[in-house]
Amino acid sequence: AQTVTQSQPEMSVQEAETVTLSCTYDTSENNYYLFWYKQPPSRQMILVIRQEAYKQQNATENRFSVNFQKAAKSFSLKISDSQLGDTAMYFCAFMKHEGVDYKLSFGAGTTVTVRA
Amino acid sequence: KAGVTQTPRYLIKTRGQQVTLSCSPISGHRSVSWYQQTPGQGLQFLFEYFSETQRNKGNFPGRFSGRQFSNSRSEMNVSTLELGDSALYLCASSLWMQETQYFGPGTRLLVL
Repeated sequence: AQTVTQSQPEMSVQEAETVTLSCTYDTSENNYYLFWYKQPPSRQMILVIRQEAYKQQNATENRFSVNFQKAAKSFSLKISDSQLGDTAMYFCAFMKHEGVDYKLSFGAGTTVTVRA
Repeated sequence: KAGVTQTPRYLIKTRGQQVTLSCSPISGHRSVSWYQQTPGQGLQFLFEYFSETQRNKGNFPGRFSGRQFSNSRSEMNVSTLELGDSALYLCASSLWMQETQYFGPGTRLLVL
């Protein structure tokens, strides 16, 4: 079974500054996907970014970027130029790429608060 | 394209009752997954359907069941509700199996 660990329960950042969320995972798989989802107070789960394990290049989506270290099984999310709308809970998630067990396995989440 | 929709958005039930939740995936998506979110257990996978077949099941009792229709819409049913079933139930759809999942707004179930 895959486990995903987010060691930071809460983080606070000033508007326009940068914050980095950490995520580590444990797997024996070689091919898999990693995701970051955000869940604002509305509780709607929104995809932030996706990374395929076979790609060495780190994924980027506008102000969101990841640092994927496959050997270290680490997948951190950097939010640049933080905005008030970024206030949310952020979940790191893992999905196998092969086989039949392709559910999303989530970490416990990190609550990010952006201060004005 | 419309997103994933879930109905109802809120439900209040009493112990022992049963409940049915509905999920309509993004148009063209054929895989639907269900997750339970609680403060204590976090996000846990319930089951996944593709082409009307349950392909994958999480570690939940048999009181939790689901199905998928030919139009890819899915329902999940919980029988003999317990207080611990109070949770946010999230549905997610993907174009195919092992593809990025997009979530609906969730159904918040409160069991009294």
